[in-house]
Amino acid sequence: GQSLEQPSEVTAVEGAIVQINCTYQTSGFYGLSWYQQHDGGAPTFLSYNGLDGLEETGRFSSFLSRSDSYGYLLLQELQMKDSASYFCAVRHYTGGFKTIFGAGTRLFVKA
Amino acid sequence: EPEVTQTPSHQVTQMGQEVILRCVPISNHLYFYWYRQILGQKVEFLVSFYNNEISEKSEIFDDQFSVERPDGSNFTLKIRSTKLEDSAMYFCASSGLRVGNQPQHFGDGTRLSIL
Repeated sequence: GQSLEQPSEVTAVEGAIVQINCTYQTSGFYGLSWYQQHDGGAPTFLSYNGLDGLEETGRFSSFLSRSDSYGYLLLQELQMKDSASYFCAVRHYTGGFKTIFGAGTRLFVKA
Repeated sequence: EPEVTQTPSHQVTQMGQEVILRCVPISNHLYFYWYRQILGQKVEFLVSFYNNEISEKSEIFDDQFSVERPDGSNFTLKIRSTKLEDSAMYFCASSGLRVGNQPQHFGDGTRLSIL
C-alpha cells in the first residue's frame, strides 16, 4: 500500500524558518506536491517536485530525494498568515494516476 | 485568474437520498478529480477523469458513486443512497498538461451534510 508520514503539528515564530518533512512509501512514484489549506478553505497548490532537488517559489521551497523517499517544505520569513495546514501529496501511477495526501501538518505561527 | 467553481456550497440531504455535486473545471484543463475531506481529517482521493472516462479511482469510490461530464463544461459527482458517513467536504479539482499534471486547482468545495 501507500503511506505518507508528516508531523502533525509545528509551531514557529514570525520571521523564522520552518521545515516540514514528509516521508513516503509507494509504488509507481511520480512526484511530490505540497498544498496549503486554511481552516474552512480549499487546498492551494504550493510546489511540485518530480525530480530530485530543490524547487524555489518565493518564500517557499520544496525538496525531494527519491532515493530516500523523502521530501520537505521550507517556509522562510514566516508570517502570521502562514498559519495553516500543509499537506504533502504523492502522485503515483498504478495503471492510472492517483494523488494520495498525507494527514497534514498544522503550522502555528506566533508573534 | 480562472478558477474551479463548485455548486452548491452546502447541501443538506436526508439519509438514503441521492445527491449530485456539480463542478465547472478550468476551461482548458483536461484532467478532473474529486476528493473528500471528512471534518478534521486529511484530503482523500476519490476519482480522476480524463478523456471522458474514469482514469483511476480509490477504494472509497464504490458503486454508490458515479461521475459524469454531461457537457463541455460541467463535471458531476453523484452519490446514491447517501449514508451518514458520507457527510464531508467534497472538493473538485482540475489540472492541465504540465509536468506531473500539476498544479491541481481546487474548487472551494461542497459541504455535504447527511441527516
